Amino acid sequence: AQSVTQLDSQVPVFEEAPVELRCNYSSSVSVYLFWYVQYPNQGLQLLLKYLSGSTLVKGINGFEAEFNKSQTSFHLRKPSVHISDTAEYFCAVSDLGGNDMRFGAGTRLTVKP
Amino acid sequence: EADIYQTPRYLVIGTGKKITLECSQTMGHDKMYWYQQDPGMELHLIHYSYGVNSTEKGDLSSESTVSRIRTEHFPLTLESARPSHTSQYLCASSLAGGPENEQFFGPGTRLTVL
Repeated sequence: AQSVTQLDSQVPVFEEAPVELRCNYSSSVSVYLFWYVQYPNQGLQLLLKYLSGSTLVKGINGFEAEFNKSQTSFHLRKPSVHISDTAEYFCAVSDLGGNDMRFGAGTRLTVKP
Repeated sequence: EADIYQTPRYLVIGTGKKITLECSQTMGHDKMYWYQQDPGMELHLIHYSYGVNSTEKGDLSSESTVSRIRTEHFPLTLESARPSHTSQYLCASSLAGGPENEQFFGPGTRLTVL
C-alpha cells in the first residue's frame, strides 16, 4: 500500500516570504498526487493535482508543486504568501494498485504579518 | 449549485446515545467516503461506497455503520456513542472510475462525546 509523509507539522513564515511544504510518498506502482487545503472550520478543497505529463503543476491561489519521481517527492511552493494562506495543507496519493487515497498528517502553515 | 453538505456541524452528546451524522451531495457522484480526522494525524478512511446499496469498511476500524439507499445521501450512525468517538468526521464524494479523480469534501461534523 502507498503512504505519505509530510516532513513538517508546522511552518511559520512572514507575509510576502516564499514557502515550501514538503511531501514524500512511497508506492510500488504509478501514482497520482494531490495537495488539499483546509481553512479553519471547513472541509478540504483541492489546490492542485499531478496525473501525468509536466512535472511542474500549477494550482489555485498561486501555489505550484513539482513531482520528482527519483526522490519520490511532491513539494508545494508559493513565492510570496499572504495572511489568508494560513491553513492546514494535506498531501495525498492514490495509485493504480487499487488502494484507497492516502493522506499525510498535514502541515499547518501560519503566515505572520 | 453542486455541493456536499454535512449536518450537524457541531454535536455534543452524552455517552450511550445513538447519533446519525448526515451527508448529502448534489454533485451526482457515485463514490462517497467517511473520514475521521484528529489533530496532527492523517485522515483515516472509515467507510466508503461505490453507489446505491454498496458499503465497505475502510482501513480504520470503526464501530459506526453507514447506509446508501439514495445516491446523494450517505449517513453515518453510531448506536452507542463513547468518549473515544470524539473526533472530526469528514464526508467526501468523487466521480466513479479511476484513482485520478479528486475527492470533494463537506465542511465536517465535530463530535464531542462526554
